Amino acid sequence: QVQLVESGGGVVQPGRSLRLSCAASGFTFSDYAMHWVRQAPGKGLEWLTFITYDGTNQYYADSVKGRFTISRDNSKNTLFVEMTSLTPEDTALYYCVRGMGLSWFDPWGQGTLVTVSS
Amino acid sequence: QSALTQPASVSGSPGQSITISCTGTNNDIGSFNYVSWYQQHPGTAPKLIIFDVSNRPSGVSDRFSASKSGNTASLTISGLQSEDEADYYCNSYTTSNTLFVFGTGTKVTVL
Repeated sequence: QVQLVESGGGVVQPGRSLRLSCAASGFTFSDYAMHWVRQAPGKGLEWLTFITYDGTNQYYADSVKGRFTISRDNSKNTLFVEMTSLTPEDTALYYCVRGMGLSWFDPWGQGTLVTVSS
Repeated sequence: QSALTQPASVSGSPGQSITISCTGTNNDIGSFNYVSWYQQHPGTAPKLIIFDVSNRPSGVSDRFSASKSGNTASLTISGLQSEDEADYYCNSYTTSNTLFVFGTGTKVTVL
């Protein structure tokens, strides 16, 4: 079945960097756009970034533009996000999500928790 | 781009119908049929329940229906059941810098 498994979360100090990964299985990864969405503790969902199926185009929310970089390795069915200059406001559960055009997100991974704290 | 506006909470008794609104602007809901809805139970990942305004993915109960009018989308849950108690989020494509915007989220309580 279609599965997305995130990894790489943890506790990081403010100003430091972290790279999250998402391993995809059960579908042709290179056919789909992919997204990262986050959810701060007790808060709502926030779309962060999107990469096209072939990796040629990336788009970012203003809140992370210039700090986060999304990438993918279609040969390894893996999605990444490099997060720099982290602040406590970046503390959240980060979800990897498969996208369908400009339309919907499905399925979602189980998320990986990032905590930014000194 | 601000989040789409949803009521913080909606409640209903078993068997009743409830409707959750999702209000946006001409930059998002009003101009595109790329509205989707997600159900999130506590401690779990969101699940797609509606895409392209009113379409249900395979396996989603037909008790869930949705529509759009102008800048507002709506999700209706008919025959409310205890398992419907969850948070619900709308989402839309937008021409703002953000590209995609989620709603503020609605907590559904089954009385």
